[in-house]
Order: sequence, then C-alpha cells, then structure tokens
Amino acid sequence: EPEVTQTPSHQVTQMGQEVILRCVPISNHLYFYWYRQILGQKVEFLVSFYNNEISEKSEIFDDQFSVERPDGSNFTLKIRSTKLEDSAMYFCASSRTGYTEAFFGQGTRLTVV
Amino acid sequence: GIQVEQSPPDLILQEGANSTLRCNFSDSVNNLQWFHQNPWGQLINLFYIPSGTKQNGRLSATTVATERYSLLYISSSQTTDSGVYFCAVERGSSNTGKLIFGQGTTLQVKP
Repeated sequence: EPEVTQTPSHQVTQMGQEVILRCVPISNHLYFYWYRQILGQKVEFLVSFYNNEISEKSEIFDDQFSVERPDGSNFTLKIRSTKLEDSAMYFCASSRTGYTEAFFGQGTRLTVV
Repeated sequence: GIQVEQSPPDLILQEGANSTLRCNFSDSVNNLQWFHQNPWGQLINLFYIPSGTKQNGRLSATTVATERYSLLYISSSQTTDSGVYFCAVERGSSNTGKLIFGQGTTLQVKP
C-alpha cells in the first residue's frame, strides 16, 4: 500500500541552525502539506503546496520556513534558523486533490536545544 | 475560521466496552477525516467521511453534514485502541486541502 515516508524520524539540532525535513509523498498525489504538533497539543496546519507553489499557509509559516519540491518525488520543509519553540513533531501529508483523503507520514520529531 | 470541537476530552474504558466520540464543526465542510494517533505518534487514517456512514471492523463513523457533527463508534474496545483520536475538517469553501484538527479525545482502554 502506498504511503508517505519522512526522513529523518528524529533530529536534534542546536538553536540557530538550519534544518531540512524530507518527505516522499504518495506518487500519484498532487497536493502536499506540512503540519506540526507540539508535544501534548493538537495538530496544526503549516502549509499546502500544489502545482509547484504554495496554495495556502498559516500564520505559523513565517519567513524562517520554506518548502520546495526539488524533484519529482521529494517534498522538503526548511527551517532557516531554528528556535527552541520549533521543537515539535512535523508531519508531511499528501492527497490526490484539495478535498480528498489526506495521508500522513510517520512524522519527524525535531528537538531544538 | 472554522472551529472543531471534540468530546469528551478524555475517556477511560474497560476492555470490551463500547464508546462514542463526537466531533462538532462550525461551518460546512468538504472533507472530514478521523485519525488515531498511536503511542509512537503516528497518525493512522480511520475514515474519510464528509457525509454518510462507514464501517470498518469494530469501528464505524457517521457524519451529519447538515447538522455539523460526526460520530466515531468503537465497539468491543481493545487495549490497542488506546491513544488519541482526532477529527479534522476542511471547510467547504476551501480547495487547498488545509485540514483543521480538533483537540482530540484521549482514550485509555484498561485490560
């Protein structure tokens, strides 16, 4: 069964460092997303991406965040200068269209120290 | 924006018991999904159910879109059902796929 895969599963980084979280969406999906979940809280939308551009982003997704689809299979989230409050589980998701079922990867747990 | 409220926030059951989880939303939706977050943090798809009723084994779900709520039924609960259950919706006027999650229901099933 096709699935969304994310790497790495865990990442520890120092405050101020840049991190890149990677995702391989399901191959015939056209919409890609990043969400985050701070420990013990609900899942929050960060950004949606379609046709090689951002289609919607949240207030959380400020200038320190960027997304890219560098090739036909990968989808990345870059955090330029990490802060302690960026520590969270980051989920990548994909869907065929903008209102069909979304499937989530297993998550990347980011810890900023 | 659209509000998503789940109840109850916490639920403790004995193994074998049945339960109903509720999700209320404040606007029309074109997507509603139920997820189970397991102890490892993974979000497992349970149902894609913007309207109607679906069943999958011991789980079933019903969404009454006109009344803006969805119910998730768990029958004959097992300890492996423990975890957090999230409802997530996409508002009807959106086509970007953005899902808004509720706060979740934390279920503990005791042996």
